Amino acid sequence: KAGVTQTPRYLIKTRGQQVTLSCSPISGHRSVSWYQQTPGQGLQFLFEYFSETQRNKGNFPGRFSGRQFSNSRSEMNVSTLELGDSALYLCASSLGTSGGQGIQYFGAGTRLSVL
Amino acid sequence: DQQVKQNSPSLSVQEGRISILNCDYTNSMFDYFLWYKKYPAEGPTFLISISSIKDKNEDGRFTVFLNKSAKHLSLHIVPSQPGDSAVYFCAARWEYGNKLVFGAGTILRVKS
Repeated sequence: KAGVTQTPRYLIKTRGQQVTLSCSPISGHRSVSWYQQTPGQGLQFLFEYFSETQRNKGNFPGRFSGRQFSNSRSEMNVSTLELGDSALYLCASSLGTSGGQGIQYFGAGTRLSVL
Repeated sequence: DQQVKQNSPSLSVQEGRISILNCDYTNSMFDYFLWYKKYPAEGPTFLISISSIKDKNEDGRFTVFLNKSAKHLSLHIVPSQPGDSAVYFCAARWEYGNKLVFGAGTILRVKS
């Protein structure tokens, strides 16, 4: 069974630009969550999509947005990039149903550098 | 506010001995607690989880203990192996949503 696939693995952008990251979840998983990892803040929850709807949202500005397609693939967009957006962006997939063990399976991440 | 805390930034253990990683939490609205291992340039890998209504879960060399009254959990690795050297994250899932809250991580070094 294929794991979670994130593309691209690395990105370099300049301030003010926008960026789109992609995530393909494990087959059969309907929930996709996004996390930001930085040295200072650790792993922080951005948002979760389930069946094409945003179900949970973290404390990030509106410049961070996402969407999910009917095949469960998800994209995350960051507009008007700032230097502080440089981070590892991780996507995690799970069944997303209640009663599960809360296990989320992570991709390798996209390393975004904002210059 | 840090709802999940890992107060030890690093831990060094001799191969074959026990590694104990600790985690504290402040919120009672978590229904599952999970441990992940992370190598550089890779995403976190799920290790083991425990329900908030249990006090112990075991899987091979890994055992997680939960003390709800103290809001504390620990991961025991026995015996420790050099390949266990990685960053270990404690995470907690909100009871009413599929959101994980992570601790800052503990770097485990297993010396051979």
